[in-house]
Amino acid sequence: QKEVEQDPGPLSVPEGAIVSLNCTYSNSAFQYFMWYRQYSRKGPELLMYTYSSGNKEDGRFTAQVDKSSKYISLFIRDSQPSDSATYLCAMTSGGYQKVTFGTGTKLQVIP
Amino acid sequence: NAGVMQNPRHLVRRRGQEARLRCSPMKGHSHVYWYRQLPEEGLKFMVYLQKENIIDESGMPKERFSAEFPKEGPSILRIQQVVRGDSAAYFCASSPLDPYGQGVYEQYFGPGTRLTVT
Repeated sequence: QKEVEQDPGPLSVPEGAIVSLNCTYSNSAFQYFMWYRQYSRKGPELLMYTYSSGNKEDGRFTAQVDKSSKYISLFIRDSQPSDSATYLCAMTSGGYQKVTFGTGTKLQVIP
Repeated sequence: NAGVMQNPRHLVRRRGQEARLRCSPMKGHSHVYWYRQLPEEGLKFMVYLQKENIIDESGMPKERFSAEFPKEGPSILRIQQVVRGDSAAYFCASSPLDPYGQGVYEQYFGPGTRLTVT
């Protein structure tokens, strides 16, 4: 079993839809949770990070962490064609531990 | 504030040659990570470095691959005697130390170096 599981998609939604992206993990030591967006042939771009459980909102993006279920989500409201990209979740226990990435979910927002 | 810089962006090597990939972290960042990404696959951790120190190299192949982050200058990922299977995108990321000195988590990525072995 992988430490971090993420559905690869692709996920196709119409413009304006609410998008839900998810990851599950097995390592209960993970405390820091990040979401990255990666456009084709580009480097990943940090979107949001959260510490421990709870919600964090930034514009159209909301990140949720449920440590009891070992489940994290990223919601995108009013999705735009420019949101079409691969979204990677990432997490670490902090300290000087490496960051573990999910394999990414490919999202396509159709105009 | 310039982001993470990587060069070259594209590198072509023949089998058996050496590849050197360079990464300059963001200003003020003291931690560097290298990842490899194959088409349609996720990021595979290779190595985590602090200046003059390798913190975690558990993702590095035991042979032909090495990495350094000297006191001065960029971090270097070196691949000796390249083979076709080394063809991939190699990404570098850097992190600041968090304000409480507890470690690092947020990473900022460079544009990557695309290595092609012919």
